[in-house]
Amino acid sequence: SQQGEEDPQALSIQEGENATMNCSYKTSINNLQWYRQNSGRGLVHLILIRSNEREKHSGRLRVTLDTSKKSSSLLITASRAADTASYFCATDAETSGSRLTFGEGTQLTVNP
Amino acid sequence: EADIYQTPRYLVIGTGKKITLECSQTMGHDKMYWYQQDPGMELHLIHYSYGVNSTEKGDLSSESTVSRIRTEHFPLTLESARPSHTSQYLCASSEWGLGIRYGYTFGSGTRLTVV
Repeated sequence: SQQGEEDPQALSIQEGENATMNCSYKTSINNLQWYRQNSGRGLVHLILIRSNEREKHSGRLRVTLDTSKKSSSLLITASRAADTASYFCATDAETSGSRLTFGEGTQLTVNP
Repeated sequence: EADIYQTPRYLVIGTGKKITLECSQTMGHDKMYWYQQDPGMELHLIHYSYGVNSTEKGDLSSESTVSRIRTEHFPLTLESARPSHTSQYLCASSEWGLGIRYGYTFGSGTRLTVV
């Protein structure tokens, strides 16, 4: 089964609100990454958090990692209409040889 | 700014045709990957390469083949396209090193439709 599973599948919010997406995985990891995909395009790397890190920030993004629960969350603060996209978590499992496994993604819609 | 290029961006072809999807990167990355993605769905790894003359099959079985003769070039070929091959194909690359430090860089993808 897929290594990364995301929740919710879809999220619709108003501009200015915060958006939180969650990711769960099954095996031990070296790191976990979040990517963004605009409709029909390639993915863009947002942030990487290592297995020995608990929280990381980048601009309006905050990522947390709980290895005991095998879960991660991505928080986008003060969302904008331009944040509308699909967001994927990807895990670099310890046994993967640095090949990423992607989750199913969360479709975020930010309404103006 | 992404330095990985995929061509064509869109391709509509008839069943039985041979096609090659091109992927080139200018970053000197050793590792390259091909993912297949249906609309609104997750990505599935179909091929990867850790360097010149190195290619491996990914987690999802695919009838396509790949080659890696030059570091910057990682084309994917379908010898005989079928409607079941209709999908988006995404190429990516990453640095070699102690695990993945900076994440993957993706191309814009090729949307393939086989009629």
